[in-house]
This record gives sequence, structure tokens and C-alpha cells, in this order.
Amino acid sequence: GESVGLHLPTLSVQEGDNSIINCAYSNSASDYFIWYKQESGKGPQFIIDIRSNMDKRQGQRVTVLLNKTVKHLSLQIAATQPGDSAVYFCAERAGFGNEKLTFGTGTRLTIIP
Amino acid sequence: DTAVSQTPKYLVTQMGNDKSIKCEQNLGHDTMYWYKQDSKKFLKIMFSYNNKELIINETVPNRFSPKSPDKAHLNLHINSLELGDSAVYFCASSKRGRSGTEAFFGQGTRLTVV
Repeated sequence: GESVGLHLPTLSVQEGDNSIINCAYSNSASDYFIWYKQESGKGPQFIIDIRSNMDKRQGQRVTVLLNKTVKHLSLQIAATQPGDSAVYFCAERAGFGNEKLTFGTGTRLTIIP
Repeated sequence: DTAVSQTPKYLVTQMGNDKSIKCEQNLGHDTMYWYKQDSKKFLKIMFSYNNKELIINETVPNRFSPKSPDKAHLNLHINSLELGDSAVYFCASSKRGRSGTEAFFGQGTRLTVV
């Protein structure tokens, strides 16, 4: 079946350092990917997205990299801050017009002061 | 100015009861969803409606019945609640037709069945 998985369930990073969260997906037809951040007691919040015709996209302190050859997605957070502590999910859409987002299992990122 | 709001935030109920969760979005989106998040934080889609029409219905027990009175509202009714239904339920919305499907999520309803 289709799945979206993460290599690391937990990640601890020193404040100010950069962090990388990885995600593997198995559906080669997926054409759109999103990273969400979920803080405790809240709903997932959009961070950044990338379409399959791109391999890199940058936002404010965040960069998403897409490697379609190995079906791998990563989220880089630069100069981490305590407010970055959360669970991060990658999600994929299985082709244009398909409204279904399939979520990965999540990685808990903890920023150490 | 909550974009996607769902009520109640917490719901504790006994097995066998029937309960409803309500969701409203003021983003002008035409597609709404219900997701279930289990204790391990795994998020799985349950239903999706576009302009009041059901477009996604994952393998969900028929005790769960979504209802969309208009495209700004998607409610979830659950009959004969079971212990395994305990989870956090998230409502979300997006605008169909865009090349991306960025979904906006509500704050979640934590359902506890005892």
C-alpha cells in the first residue's frame, strides 16, 4: 500500500543549530508534498510545500528538499529556536485532482536551550 | 478570526452513546475533511466533502456519518461509541482546483470514550 514514513521518530537539537527531518514516501505518482508542524494541543499547521517538478524550495528559516529518484523528502530548519519544538509531519498528495493527503508518522523535534 | 473551528474541544462520553462534532470554516474553501489522530500521533483521513458532496470515504465504520449542510460546515456524527474511537479528530478545509492542496486544520476535538 501507499505509505509515507519517517526515518527518525524523535530528534533533539541544540538551540541555534540546524535540524533536518527526513521523510520517505512510496507512491511515485505523488505530485505534491507538504510539511506540517503540530504543537501540543493544536492542529497541524502548514509550514512549506513543494511540487514534484521542483527539487528545492525555501521559506523563512525552512528549506524543503525533494529527491524523486529515491522518493525522499526533507525539511531543514535553520537556527532553531525553542518555538520550533513540535511534531513535524510530511504529507503527500497522490496526483493532481486527488484531494487526499497521506501523512507520515511524524517526528518529534525537541530544541534544547 | 478562527479559520477552521470545531466544537467541542473535549468530549468525554460512555460507550454506546451517540455524539456529534461540529466544524465550520470561514476561508471560503469548497472542500472539507475529517482526520483521526491516534495516540501515536498518526493522522489518517476519514472523509472529504467538496461542495456538500462526499468525495473521499476511507474504510471507516458506518457508525461514523459525516454531514455537510453547506460548504462551510462539515459535522461528524458517531453512533454507538466504542473505546477504540478515543482519539483526536481534526477538521480541515482546502480550496479544490489549485495545483496544491494545502489543508488548514482546526484545533481538534479530543474524544475519550469510557
